[in-house]
Amino acid sequence: DAGITQSPRHKVTETGTPVTLRCHQTENHRYMYWYRQDPGHGLRLIHYSYGVKDTDKGEVSDGYSVSRSKTEDFLLTLESATSSQTSVYFCASKEDTLYEQYFGPGTRLTVT
Amino acid sequence: QKEVEQNSGPLSVPEGAIASLNCTYSDRGSQSFFWYRQYSGKSPELIMFIYSNGDKEDGRFTAQLNKASQYVSLLIRDSQPSDSATYLCAVKSSSNTGKLIFGQGTTLQVKP
Repeated sequence: DAGITQSPRHKVTETGTPVTLRCHQTENHRYMYWYRQDPGHGLRLIHYSYGVKDTDKGEVSDGYSVSRSKTEDFLLTLESATSSQTSVYFCASKEDTLYEQYFGPGTRLTVT
Repeated sequence: QKEVEQNSGPLSVPEGAIASLNCTYSDRGSQSFFWYRQYSGKSPELIMFIYSNGDKEDGRFTAQLNKASQYVSLLIRDSQPSDSATYLCAVKSSSNTGKLIFGQGTTLQVKP
């Protein structure tokens, strides 16, 4: 397994507050991804990164921003959390030359 | 039409039987296909990947790919109660970003 950790693992926050989720990997993987998982929708890509300071949008990027200042860290920020962003968030990473992605343990976010 | 489609199930099989999980995809340019297993409350775990037409076996698991029919399947032989989980099919997009498109997953129940 890739060494991927996510923090926090659980968070409850109020509507309108900013929230930052952290993904940390120790595998020196170039590519990192943020997904959200919701019943009936499966895993959906929010943003991804293909290198330090190189990021791009996924299919459900509205309301989210990301930053990657170091290879090992990929941050996901909800600028102003809404109840529709209540979800389980997974981070994943992969090596440059392979296609397989490996997932972190997930963060359960509840926006009240 | 969804890009990657799976029957959500649940698929129920008796212990010791063969479980057959199916997935269809819409992008004819897709070249790489993955099966992830996800236990309730846990993160997706990669169990198989297949790139070429035909069968690929790993222990009790066999992945089958038919690119002409845009169909990929996962067979689990001698199913065990511990195989009860949701199985996610993922297809690498034909772009060079490494992005995976996930199906909604099929829930498998193996009854003792």
